[in-house]
Amino acid sequence: NAGVTQTPKFQVLKTGQSMTLQCAQDMNHNSMYWYRQDPGMGLRLIYYSASEGTTDKGEVPNGYNVSRLNKREFSLRLESAAPSQTSVYFCASSEYRPAGVVRYNEQFFGPGTRLTVL
Amino acid sequence: AQSVSQHNHHVILSEAASLELGCNYSYGGTVNLFWYVQYPGQHLQLLLKYFSGDPLVKGIKGFEAEFIKSKFSFNLRKPSVQWSDTAEYFCAVNVINQGAQKLVFGQGTRLTINP
Repeated sequence: NAGVTQTPKFQVLKTGQSMTLQCAQDMNHNSMYWYRQDPGMGLRLIYYSASEGTTDKGEVPNGYNVSRLNKREFSLRLESAAPSQTSVYFCASSEYRPAGVVRYNEQFFGPGTRLTVL
Repeated sequence: AQSVSQHNHHVILSEAASLELGCNYSYGGTVNLFWYVQYPGQHLQLLLKYFSGDPLVKGIKGFEAEFIKSKFSFNLRKPSVQWSDTAEYFCAVNVINQGAQKLVFGQGTRLTINP
């Protein structure tokens, strides 16, 4: 049981290049998330997918796109990378909470991708 | 919009010292509150959570946190820290809603424990 896996672990891009960050989970979770972590700013939600077939913007979606490929996989794409997107990117997953059900389903995080845009 | 504020950016302590990390949130509705820890080179792990009931919650590795609703606070405490507690600590709030559970994180507090 690998949990949440991310590829690549490190990446250096030039301004204007594109790339896709991959995320997969083997916990049969419905919901998946992409965060970025910047010094002094904590983690900020970029996009999330409540369940297969749906995606929604988070706090900082500009410059990113996502694809929920299937229940296991949720990718993040940078179409034209900018230096401001230099960050550490974390993927996470959790169970889906139905309406009226008051409980918390823990988010499990991947190991992160360290991206540098020159 | 909800927000989370952590007062201390970098805390340096000696082993066996007591620890308290501050966390305040802004949201008037029902929330879940969390502390996550990120050890050097590792991903985030859940340290403890408050969901309902007893406002004093105990987590792993001797950590505890107290939810004070009137102060919108959820401070993290440990009576005697160890060198292995060196890490970055994040407070987070989860607004109750259906479906995906979006977390809003504080800025993080870097904790350095000197042996």
